[in-house]
Amino acid sequence: GQQVMQIPQYQHVQEGEDFTTYCNSSTTLSNIQWYKQRPGGHPVFLIQLVKSGEVKKQKRLTFQFGEAKKNSSLHITATQTTDVGTYFCAAYSGYALNFGKGTSLLVTP
Amino acid sequence: NAGVTQTPKFQVLKTGQSMTLQCAQDMNHEYMSWYRQDPGMGLRLIHYSVGAGITDQGEVPNGYNVSRSTTEDFPLRLLSAAPSQTSVYFCASRQTGGPYEQYFGPGTRLTVT
Repeated sequence: GQQVMQIPQYQHVQEGEDFTTYCNSSTTLSNIQWYKQRPGGHPVFLIQLVKSGEVKKQKRLTFQFGEAKKNSSLHITATQTTDVGTYFCAAYSGYALNFGKGTSLLVTP
Repeated sequence: NAGVTQTPKFQVLKTGQSMTLQCAQDMNHEYMSWYRQDPGMGLRLIHYSVGAGITDQGEVPNGYNVSRSTTEDFPLRLLSAAPSQTSVYFCASRQTGGPYEQYFGPGTRLTVT
């Protein structure tokens, strides 16, 4: 079943505001991945985090993996309309990659 | 490279009909998987395969069959379609060794009436 829980389910921001989505697990994760799905599109890989406390940045996106490797977050600074979409975290259970339910981001100009 | 391709893009079935959703990849990936996506439910794993001749069940396997006779192809079969199987279906592939990022196909939107 679902290994990871994501909150919030939806987020509506004004362009220029920041956005954060959180991913939590009851068990220690070996790694965590983040994907973005644009409306009408397919999921696209963003990043993988492996190490405890790891922080990675991609332009305005900052990804963190918790010290206990049970939670992760994605933070977008100064959102733009191009950030619209659903962001998923995902974690492996054996060979199976299980996704959270996602956070849908709407950005109003 | 075409990446991961799926056919058809759209399909309407009547309850009880059968069909096969096609998935192919040209990246020589050993690992392939099928997901279904429903509103508010995220992506749920149906079946996956770690190589030709090897398949395993995911979270929601009931009503679906798979086989993997070649590295390139991983078809998903619905033997007797039900309205509950109305969904968007995504096929994905990745290398079995790292990196572990999955590449998704464009999806098949299936409606069962």
